[in-house]
Amino acid sequence: ETGVTQTPRHLVMGMTNKKSLKCEQHLGHNAMYWYKQSAKKPLELMFVYSLEERVENNSVPSRFSPECPNSSHLFLHLHTLQPEDSALYLCASSQDYSGTTTDTQYFGPGTRLTVL
Amino acid sequence: QKEVEQNSGPLSVPEGAIASLNCTYSDRVSQSFFWYRQYSGKSPELIMSIYSNGDKEDGRFTAQLNKASQYVSLLIRDSQPSDSATYLCAVTKGYQKVTFGTGTKLQVIP
Repeated sequence: ETGVTQTPRHLVMGMTNKKSLKCEQHLGHNAMYWYKQSAKKPLELMFVYSLEERVENNSVPSRFSPECPNSSHLFLHLHTLQPEDSALYLCASSQDYSGTTTDTQYFGPGTRLTVL
Repeated sequence: QKEVEQNSGPLSVPEGAIASLNCTYSDRVSQSFFWYRQYSGKSPELIMSIYSNGDKEDGRFTAQLNKASQYVSLLIRDSQPSDSATYLCAVTKGYQKVTFGTGTKLQVIP
């Protein structure tokens, strides 16, 4: 769909499971983002990485752990989640993280997560 | 007060009409403004971006920004059923703190 891919597209997990979401961008961008989208709520920014360094963590519970091994890959490690964590998790990337006009974000297709 | 406010809709317009989507924001130092379209079950895709006061046109889409009144709007001319989607307004300020609205659902009736 775009230059940003996410796997898996759907995930069902129990509260005691450990799983990871993967995002890969093929756009040569320097910044990557994780968002949570729940029904009837605005997109919630979770984490931002710029040049593989975490630059923003919006008070996300520690059961969500991001990892950015390089500028093309972003992971979200999940552990001991709660049913209220069920949502669409979207990855995005942008050229830079600098507040300029080049910072348009491009979204991946998302992972639909269900926590039982 | 929400940082970015949108009417959730649904906004229903007949095919061929102009759809007008509005967004207000609370932080006066906001610098960049974006409209995303999100089809049901899909991820958001960028429609328009605008950074300075006035109008910006791209095909059937026109974004309007009024920083003094703190609102940004999106006009869709000659609305088509394929325009039916949820439209998300996003606002950023320095250091890329991006905030999204809840979105307005648009329905174009054939």
